[in-house]
Amino acid sequence: AQSVTQPDIHITVSEGASLELRCNYSYGATPYLFWYVQSPGQGLQLLLKYFSGDTLVQGIKGFEAEFKRSQSSFNLRKPSVHWSDAAEYFCAVAPYSGGGADGLTFGKGTHLIIQP
Amino acid sequence: GAGVSQSPSNKVTEKGKDVELRCDPISGHTALYWYRQSLGQGLEFLIYFQGNSAPDKSGLPSDRFSAERTGGSVSTLTIQRTQQEDSAVYLCASSLQQRGPETQYFGPGTRLLVL
Repeated sequence: AQSVTQPDIHITVSEGASLELRCNYSYGATPYLFWYVQSPGQGLQLLLKYFSGDTLVQGIKGFEAEFKRSQSSFNLRKPSVHWSDAAEYFCAVAPYSGGGADGLTFGKGTHLIIQP
Repeated sequence: GAGVSQSPSNKVTEKGKDVELRCDPISGHTALYWYRQSLGQGLEFLIYFQGNSAPDKSGLPSDRFSAERTGGSVSTLTIQRTQQEDSAVYLCASSLQQRGPETQYFGPGTRLLVL
């Protein structure tokens, strides 16, 4: 079965600084990978996804992520964070069918705090 | 267009009562998913529907949980004889189809509190 690890429970970053959120996955085949963001009291919004092709994917709100098969990682990055980026970030992996009987497997999430 | 909607947004119930949670997927989405988000367990996948059919119900936490989908659209998640450990946010998602990789779009969730 697949699994996702987000090693950092909390991260604090100063506004304007760069950001990297870590995600490691365990899956036997080529994974389909997602990053979602959740603001307080809100549902999950898709930031970006990797299905195949270019390993550097661009998402909304200036985020990007790089798929590294050799490291089983899919880290999320942003060059300059804004106070509005404060939220909970979830990495997720899907089996080949993109959902199906197993749904998405999520990491525990990383809580991002932005310092003024 | 309209996103995934869920109702109620909040539900407070007493232990032992039954509750029904509703999900309205994005129009045209044939796949529908239920997840549970709780402090202790994080985000857990519960069940998915392709059309009106749910091929695998093994993700449901106990036999007190059931789900159905009618007309290939609205789905309801029912929890019978609620327990305090059922308190969580229940999220619904939908996607265009279940075959091949597809993005799941999430609703705002139903926050359930069992007293």
